[in-house]
Amino acid sequence: DGGITQSPKYLFRKEGQNVTLSCEQNLNHDAMYWYRQDPGQGLRLIYYSQIVNDFQKGDIAEGYSVSREKKESFPLTVTSAQKNPTAFYLCASSRGERTYEQYFGPGTRLTVT
Amino acid sequence: GNSVTQMEGPVTLSEEAFLTINCTYTATGYPSLFWYVQYPGEGLQLLLKATKADDKGSNKGFEATYRKETTSFHLEKGSVQVSDSAVYFCALSGWQISGGSNYKLTFGKGTLLTVNP
Repeated sequence: DGGITQSPKYLFRKEGQNVTLSCEQNLNHDAMYWYRQDPGQGLRLIYYSQIVNDFQKGDIAEGYSVSREKKESFPLTVTSAQKNPTAFYLCASSRGERTYEQYFGPGTRLTVT
Repeated sequence: GNSVTQMEGPVTLSEEAFLTINCTYTATGYPSLFWYVQYPGEGLQLLLKATKADDKGSNKGFEATYRKETTSFHLEKGSVQVSDSAVYFCALSGWQISGGSNYKLTFGKGTLLTVNP
């Protein structure tokens, strides 16, 4: 089955630690995205990548970093510089040019204490 | 920049009631419009879409019509079921004034729907 996988489903970290969230897709999509979801705030774009080895900041990139070394993978690192990292993180992908709908993974809930 | 405004929830209905969730947008050019649904603890699923004015998207009994004159894309369903309980997001995709790509989605804040038996 084609789709997007995110792991783990739940992640717990201590304040001051960096943590990396995994996102893998086997849809052969060119573009991939990371969103953050907080209660009552909808989804906010963190980073996106249209092709391998290239990515752009979204609306709330501070305190996050990404890499795109393979088409299938787009990991997100939440660094200790992120002031309020506890949230639900969603990865998405889309075919790319002139195809606007995005397909989402199941999400990772990160709790930092 | 682009923005989406959808009605605030929560919305609580009885089974078989009629559903409307309002969505209006601000965008340059001719955006594509979407409704996504999120069940508890899960990611978002694309429910329906419309890519040009007067298009009607439909899926699983849900419908929405792209109205350019009123910049709206309201979600409707004639008879809701308990299984429709979820959060619904309106979204648009289009060019950003800041020069971003046309892949970026702008989301509304979501509307929680609860359907009681």
